[in-house]
Amino acid sequence: SAVISQKPSRDICQRGTSLTIQCQVDSQVTMMFWYRQQPGQSLTLIATANQGSEATYESGFVIDKFPISRPNLTFSTLTVSNMSPEDSSIYLCSVEARSEETQYFGPGTRLLVL
Amino acid sequence: GQSLEQPSEVTAVEGAIVQINCTYQTSGFYGLSWYQQHDGGAPTFLSYNALDGLEETGRFSSFLSRSDSYGYLLLQELQMKDSASYFCAVVGAGSYQLTFGKGTKLSVIP
Repeated sequence: SAVISQKPSRDICQRGTSLTIQCQVDSQVTMMFWYRQQPGQSLTLIATANQGSEATYESGFVIDKFPISRPNLTFSTLTVSNMSPEDSSIYLCSVEARSEETQYFGPGTRLLVL
Repeated sequence: GQSLEQPSEVTAVEGAIVQINCTYQTSGFYGLSWYQQHDGGAPTFLSYNALDGLEETGRFSSFLSRSDSYGYLLLQELQMKDSASYFCAVVGAGSYQLTFGKGTKLSVIP
């Protein structure tokens, strides 16, 4: 399985500011995914990030609010822009796991917006 | 679109067996995955079924019936550390995208 790290692990931010979350994986992967998980809730896919192409966003998520970069096959960033308290959540990145036709998840970034 | 149904909470006794069911409605289906998530932790992959039948991994087994759009996760010899949330997730055809159910919170009691 892949080893995935995220930075920061947690942060407290003021409304109106932006936070960039980094995701690093220890092997080259084609597909990386970004999810949001609000407290006590399930995981919701924000976008799929493939290296060399624009990220594909799910319904309800837009690039202006959640810009994503994917500069190479082992790294991606998600920015949460112009934050409001409603953005308080856990943000998770994941990568494809071709052998199991599924995904492995990073440890998550716990964001609190005041 | 995709929708998945699983019980919100289950309580079971240490040492017992528990089954967590998942039914799904989907426009594209490649397989069913199960994840475990402890409070404050990240989802951990448990199992994946693409074909009908039972997959066994230690104390955990997962079953799929594609014709019934139904699967379950079976946990045997329950331990206190199994207390966690369990999510079923549909793997979309050709994309590795996952759509998650709302999760089942399992409480194991002495």
